[in-house]
Amino acid sequence: EIVLTQSPVTLSLSPGERATLSCRASQSVPNKFLAWYQQKPGQAPRLLIYAASTRATGIPDRFSGSGSGTGFTLTISRLEHEDFAVYYCQQYDSSTFGQGTKVEIK
Amino acid sequence: QVQLHESGPGLVNPSETLSLTCTVSGGSIKSYYWSWIRQTPGKGLEWIGYVYYSGRTKYNPSLQSRVTISLDMSGNQLSLKLSSVTAADTALYYCVGASQWELLFDLWGQGALVTVSS
Repeated sequence: EIVLTQSPVTLSLSPGERATLSCRASQSVPNKFLAWYQQKPGQAPRLLIYAASTRATGIPDRFSGSGSGTGFTLTISRLEHEDFAVYYCQQYDSSTFGQGTKVEIK
Repeated sequence: QVQLHESGPGLVNPSETLSLTCTVSGGSIKSYYWSWIRQTPGKGLEWIGYVYYSGRTKYNPSLQSRVTISLDMSGNQLSLKLSSVTAADTALYYCVGASQWELLFDLWGQGALVTVSS
């Protein structure tokens, strides 16, 4: 089983700042099968990024993904108020999720 | 626009079988791989398994011995049965669709909270 470790656990930032979230895999993720999801309180997760760097339909271009192998990054270029949420990475070769990074308002 | 609605008992006795149903509306059930995913504060998000309209199923190895996922094509419904439940199965259970790749989840229901307790 591929274990995904996200860091940091919590990221405290102000609107307009840049957010950089990390996802490390215990072994190489095949075919860049790495996705990112956003979850707001009381809501289901929403797909943001797949194939490590492809934005899902309707996702603003301030969200970007990068990485390969065992190291992946989600970047939010300029945080807007609606971006404060919990973010999960997932490898979808066999499906495991990271434990999440909470982006909170500083 | 495809919508999902989970339903079922919110309370299940230990050692019994948890049963949930997901009704799919607004789209074709053949267009997705249908999964159940659960979420707990302690373990986070955990994929349980999927079913495809062809009848193909795949389960998380950690739950495989207790899980059955099936489709009712005529009723546009997906079901989950999890047997021999314990308190560790208390979770928010999501019905989820994957349209591009079998385990890439792009359609989520709102979730159903199930508590295992006597």
